[in-house]
Amino acid sequence: EDQVTQSPEALRLQEGESSSLNCSYTVSGLRGLFWYRQDPGKGPEFLFTLYSAGEEKEKERLKATLTKKESFLHITAPKPEDSATYLCAGPINQAGTALIFGKGTTLSVSS
Amino acid sequence: KAGVTQTPRYLIKTRGQQVTLSCSPISGHRSVSWYQQTPGQGLQFLFEYFSETQRNKGNFPGRFSGRQFSNSRSEMNVSTLELGDSALYLCASSLGTGGFTEAFFGQGTRLTVV
Repeated sequence: EDQVTQSPEALRLQEGESSSLNCSYTVSGLRGLFWYRQDPGKGPEFLFTLYSAGEEKEKERLKATLTKKESFLHITAPKPEDSATYLCAGPINQAGTALIFGKGTTLSVSS
Repeated sequence: KAGVTQTPRYLIKTRGQQVTLSCSPISGHRSVSWYQQTPGQGLQFLFEYFSETQRNKGNFPGRFSGRQFSNSRSEMNVSTLELGDSALYLCASSLGTGGFTEAFFGQGTRLTVV
């Protein structure tokens, strides 16, 4: 059964304290992985697409990496505005338009 | 450019009623996917429409249906509402062709069934 699992469920950091979020997947024929950020009461905001093992993408304090079985979202020197739920998703169709999501990691960054 | 627009933002319905939600995708995007988000189950895929045809379907009962119009706008309908249908309903638009592309989400419609 296709599955995407994220850990930890919740993470509390002090401002400037770097950490990593994990996303493991068992989506058969995985053609890539997406990362999204979701703020309370809003729709997910696209962050990254990773297409193949070994690929890395960066955006401000975030860096996403992909291996054959899992992906990491590294957060370097986070700020309070990075507080959100981070979701990863694997496509279950070729076009990438049908996604299976993990339950997300809720990140809280305090100053 | 304009993002994905969902209307209405909030809805309160009574058990047994039906409801229709609307989604206008980003201009030029031909694929619209619908998702249900609840605290317990997270984000779950409902179905996807591309060029007015349902292309993929998730594991939801037949009470959940949708359609897409020639301008790519999409509607989702839920009939015979149950309390468990209370959720945030999200639509996402993407190009849908030319390979693997990212999906952009709307703000969602918060449905409460009482």
